[in-house]
Amino acid sequence: DVKVTQSSRYLVKRTGEKVFLECVQDMDHENMFWYRQDPGLGLRLIYFSYDVKMKEKGDIPEGYSVSREKKERFSLILESASTNQTSMYLCASSLYGGLAYDEQFFGPGTRLTVL
Amino acid sequence: AQSVTQPDIHITVSEGASLELRCNYSYGATPYLFWYVQSPGQGLQLLLKYFSGDTLVQGIKGFEAEFKRSQSSFNLRKPSVHWSDAAEYFCAVGAPTGNQFYFGTGTSLTVIP
Repeated sequence: DVKVTQSSRYLVKRTGEKVFLECVQDMDHENMFWYRQDPGLGLRLIYFSYDVKMKEKGDIPEGYSVSREKKERFSLILESASTNQTSMYLCASSLYGGLAYDEQFFGPGTRLTVL
Repeated sequence: AQSVTQPDIHITVSEGASLELRCNYSYGATPYLFWYVQSPGQGLQLLLKYFSGDTLVQGIKGFEAEFKRSQSSFNLRKPSVHWSDAAEYFCAVGAPTGNQFYFGTGTSLTVIP
């Protein structure tokens, strides 16, 4: 089974802090994704990566950056956390191919609270 | 631009009753269509997907969905709901051109004994 793990289930940070969310997948998938999930808004794509060191902006990239130095690891970075970034963050991966048709495998999520 | 709508924010059904969750999409051509489930405290899991061919798609856990082009819908169904089906369900749409993918806002399902 594909396993996607996220470094923390719960995280509390202060406004202005730099925050790193880590995601690791163990099935040699090419694509990795970061979403945020908010009530009433569903999942919104922040960034995705289709190869090491490659990244593409999703629908809501403002205030976020990403890093993919190794194939299995995809990091989401909040350079200066703000209260409106309080949310559930979900990482996902897919084998290869297009964003539009690949099955995505999700981690359990990190619930980030910014005070 | 394509979009996906799940009109029901929350649905409550009795255990053993049938279930239908609605999903409508807006796209010029036939998109790729998906249903994912998120059980409490867990990530999303794919239930089923439709790309082309037979418009009735079978998935895992006894779920099925029917693609209706004329109604731009892809509703999820289950004939008899189990308490373990309580979860949040997301419809998703992928555009064959433009490499885009969108989730709906989700429907939360409560199952009462």
